[in-house]
Amino acid sequence: EVQLVESGGGLVKPGESLTLSCAASGFFFSSYTMNWVRQAPGKGLEWVSSIRSSSSDIYYADSVKGRFTISRDNAKNSLFLQMNSLRVEDTAVYYCARDWRWGSVDSWGQGALVTVSS
Amino acid sequence: EIVLTQSPGALSLSLGERATLSCRASQSVSSSYVAWYQQKPGQAPRLLIYGASSRATGIPDRFSGSGSGTDFTLTISRLEPEDFAVYYCQHFGDSTRITFGQGTRLEI
Repeated sequence: EVQLVESGGGLVKPGESLTLSCAASGFFFSSYTMNWVRQAPGKGLEWVSSIRSSSSDIYYADSVKGRFTISRDNAKNSLFLQMNSLRVEDTAVYYCARDWRWGSVDSWGQGALVTVSS
Repeated sequence: EIVLTQSPGALSLSLGERATLSCRASQSVSSSYVAWYQQKPGQAPRLLIYGASSRATGIPDRFSGSGSGTDFTLTISRLEPEDFAVYYCQHFGDSTRITFGQGTRLEI
């Protein structure tokens, strides 16, 4: 069974940093492109970042480019999102999610809540 | 940049009725890269349809997807109680990567 478990969420002040982790199990992690998708309270889904299986290609949404860094450790079946210079508008549940076919996302973690507030 | 616009924003129907949810892209896209998700309160999204019309694993056949070009549709043939949720369409592109529509809330 595919499992994705996020950790590292919490309450931070504007301008501070936070790193999210996602522990993957139940599938061959190193073969899949992985993503972070977020959802602000009461709002829709917003793609944040993607990283290919070998880390050869990395992509970011314009809203986080230059502030967030995605990375992975295939030996440890782990995905990370380092978030710097956090803003109030970054407040959201952050989901770790696995790429499936044709750009769809078939497996999601339970989400990690990040709250940015002074 | 491709923008996905879903309509209606909210849809009120009864059990056993047919639901038709629309997703319109701001420019023509390949149907191969259109997906649909269901999200219930407090839960992560669930993949329903990929490639515009292929059902994901374990998705009941009352869910179907169709469309091409700029117009895509998710149809639920006979609504069950567990179908009341928010539905999102999604597109994947080389430059824009993953783009979601704003969602349609399906309610009783």
